Amino acid sequence: DAMVIQNPRYQVTQFGKPVTLSCSQTLNHNVMYWYQQKSSQAPKLLFHYYDKDFNNEADTPDNFQSRRPNTSFCFLDIRSPGLGDAAMYLCATSRVAGSKETQYFGPGTRLLVL
Amino acid sequence: GEDVEQSLFLSVREGDSSVINCTYTDSSSTYLYWYKQEPGAGLQLLTYIFSNMDMKQDQRLTVLLNKKDKHLSLRIADTQTGDSAIYFCAESIGRDDKIIFGKGTRLHILP
Repeated sequence: DAMVIQNPRYQVTQFGKPVTLSCSQTLNHNVMYWYQQKSSQAPKLLFHYYDKDFNNEADTPDNFQSRRPNTSFCFLDIRSPGLGDAAMYLCATSRVAGSKETQYFGPGTRLLVL
Repeated sequence: GEDVEQSLFLSVREGDSSVINCTYTDSSSTYLYWYKQEPGAGLQLLTYIFSNMDMKQDQRLTVLLNKKDKHLSLRIADTQTGDSAIYFCAESIGRDDKIIFGKGTRLHILP
């Protein structure tokens, strides 16, 4: 039944060691989003894909990259995690872009950086 | 600027009504949303309101929008223990309809 799946749910990495978070969806939605949510903070959009078209937010650090090899999967790569990158990372999808379109969120991956 | 403000905590007795308030800054927002996040889960869209509406009701949920004051509220009637969660106010802005979230209000239900 899960429509937006994120693996793993918890990820521990070491300072500076590259890490990849994954998201998959069964909704066949065109748009996939990655948000960063720090403790007691608002979710913050990092980037999104409209089909294969990548859209980076202006203030997303270069340390964060994303790949979308097909409609169903989207990956978040953190090249050199710092302590400040510890957060919950939320993946979301929508059928198309636009404010009328509901975004469906996954359960998130909580990243811990040691 | 883009900013969505809401109080961080609210405690309500079971059976009472909960009212969660939010203010936003972008007067061009087309849609305003309320999302619910339960522990360990992602965000779930509860309801949304189009900016030309004043009120929207959906079962126990009532959304009020005061566009002049840029104030949005969510009223939950007959609050239950299952309503315990963090509630995020959000607005859509800009040409890309980006969603900007508030920091969330943690609703605590008292027995």
